[in-house]
Amino acid sequence: EPEVTQTPSHQVTQMGQEVILRCVPISNHLYFYWYRQILGQKVEFLVSFYNNEISEKSEIFDDQFSVERPDGSNFTLKIRSTKLEDSAMYFCASNNRGEEQFFGPGTRLTVL
Amino acid sequence: GQSLEQPSEVTAVEGAIVQINCTYQTSGFYGLSWYQQHDGGAPTFLSYNGLDGLEETGRFSSFLSRSDSYGYLLLQELQMKDSASYFCAVPNSGGYQKVTFGTGTKLQVIP
Repeated sequence: EPEVTQTPSHQVTQMGQEVILRCVPISNHLYFYWYRQILGQKVEFLVSFYNNEISEKSEIFDDQFSVERPDGSNFTLKIRSTKLEDSAMYFCASNNRGEEQFFGPGTRLTVL
Repeated sequence: GQSLEQPSEVTAVEGAIVQINCTYQTSGFYGLSWYQQHDGGAPTFLSYNGLDGLEETGRFSSFLSRSDSYGYLLLQELQMKDSASYFCAVPNSGGYQKVTFGTGTKLQVIP
């Protein structure tokens, strides 16, 4: 069964450094999403992406964040200058419109 | 904006039935979804209600009352593997491009 994959599973970085989180959505999906989840808290929407552009973003998704689909399979989230409060689990998801989103296993980001 | 409230924790006995409630306040309403998340895992879609009433999928059912801004997830014949967090979620538009998740309910199933 096709699934969303994410790399790395765990990323440790120093405050102020740039990180890129990578996702490979399900191959025939057209809509892509990033969410984050701080430990013990709810899942928070960051951004959705369709047709090579951002379609929606949340208040969390400020100028420090960017997304890109550099080729036909990858979808990346870049954080330019990480802060301590960016430490969280980051989930990528994809679908073909509709209510069901398919989530990847997540990348745990730890900012020191 | 959107806000969804759920009880933080629920404990139930293996084999029993449990109901997890979700009340919401939204600027527009396009349906209510439910996701399951095991510790350390990814959210997994369980069900969706676009209209009032009950939707059944195996041991899981989900109910929606739009007039009461309320829904619930019903889990029957509880199994130990059902121990997980459960989130209700609403899309912000009919295009489902932005989804707001509820506060989450941690279900513990005990023998």
